[in-house]
Amino acid sequence: DGGITQSPKYLFRKEGQNVTLSCEQNLNHDAMYWYRQDPGQGLRLIYYSQIVNDFQKGDIAEGYSVSREKKESFPLTVTSAQKNPTAFYLCASSPLALEYGYTFGSGTRLTVV
Amino acid sequence: GESVGLHLPTLSVQEGDNSIINCAYSNSASDYFIWYKQESGKGPQFIIDIRSNMDKRQGQRVTVLLNKTVKHLSLQIAATQPGDSAVYFCAEIFTSGTYKYIFGTGTRLKVLA
Repeated sequence: DGGITQSPKYLFRKEGQNVTLSCEQNLNHDAMYWYRQDPGQGLRLIYYSQIVNDFQKGDIAEGYSVSREKKESFPLTVTSAQKNPTAFYLCASSPLALEYGYTFGSGTRLTVV
Repeated sequence: GESVGLHLPTLSVQEGDNSIINCAYSNSASDYFIWYKQESGKGPQFIIDIRSNMDKRQGQRVTVLLNKTVKHLSLQIAATQPGDSAVYFCAEIFTSGTYKYIFGTGTRLKVLA
């Protein structure tokens, strides 16, 4: 089945640690996105990529980094510079034409301990 | 995630009744709109979409209405079922020029048995 897979489902980070969230898709979508979801707020865009080896900052990129070495993969690193990383992180993909909407992964819940 | 719905407006509906969920969007230039459903601990799922040149679109048990005059979108769910319990949010998309995808904060739908 085609889809988008995020792992792990739950992740715990200690203060000062970098952690990486995985996102893989087999939908042959060109574009991939990372969103952060907090209670009572709409999804906020962290980074997006429309082509391999290229990505752009979204609205809240500070403290995060990404790479897009393969079309299928778009990992997100939450660095120690992100002061409030506890949130639900969603990865999505889409064809370049946005009229088809996004396909979302099942999310990763990151908690700082 | 599990905590996403805690601070959202809640609509409680009796099983079998119709549900109406509303969304106000921000930009009159948005030309495409999508409703998503997000169950607890999962990623959002596409429900139905509508283009700005339409004012109504029907799917299976769902109808989306678009009022461009007041920048309002609604999702109607007929014969609401327990499986409809989730957070619902709208997204507005500008598809021309520099695209932008904006998500609403969402409404939590509770179906009462």
